[in-house]
Amino acid sequence: QKEVEQDPGPLSVPEGAIVSLNCTYSNSAFQYFMWYRQYSRKGPELLMYTYSSGNKEDGRFTAQVDKSSKYISLFIRDSQPSDSATYLCAMSAYNNNDMRFGAGTRLTVKP
Amino acid sequence: NAGVTQTPKFRILKIGQSMTLQCTQDMNHNYMYWYRQDPGMGLKLIYYSVGAGITDKGEVPNGYNVSRSTTEDFPLRLELAAPSQTSVYFCASRERDRQSSEQYFGPGTRLTVT
Repeated sequence: QKEVEQDPGPLSVPEGAIVSLNCTYSNSAFQYFMWYRQYSRKGPELLMYTYSSGNKEDGRFTAQVDKSSKYISLFIRDSQPSDSATYLCAMSAYNNNDMRFGAGTRLTVKP
Repeated sequence: NAGVTQTPKFRILKIGQSMTLQCTQDMNHNYMYWYRQDPGMGLKLIYYSVGAGITDKGEVPNGYNVSRSTTEDFPLRLELAAPSQTSVYFCASRERDRQSSEQYFGPGTRLTVT
């Protein structure tokens, strides 16, 4: 079993849709949870950061962490074509020097 | 302020050759990282460094070496290249002493070993 599981998609939605991206994990020591966005042929960039369980909102983006179920989600409201990218979940147990990434979900938002 | 820069952008190596991937950051970050990204596999940590003169292995260090003689530079050395090292390599850096600090990634080096 992989430490971090993420459905690679691809996922295609119309502009304005609500997008839900998810990851599950097996290591109960993970306590730092991140979502990265990666445009084609570019390096990842941090989108959301959450410590422990709970929700965090930033504009159109909401990150949720449920440690009891070992499940994290990223919601994108009012999706835009510029949101088309690969979204990677990442998590760390101790100090971000031990990050584990999901495989990434490729999202396309169609105008 | 260029952030994290990587050279070269692309490289084709023959089996058994060696090369160094260069990484430089101008943000005065103490922590630096090397990852590889294979299709459908996410990023895997190869090596990291918490400061000049200090390096440590990550998840997949075999076949690679690193050094950190300055805060700015963190080169990755491939000795005796193998087809399994065909991948996209990303360097990243982050601030020290903040658990929540963001890792800033470079644009990547695409390496093919044939």
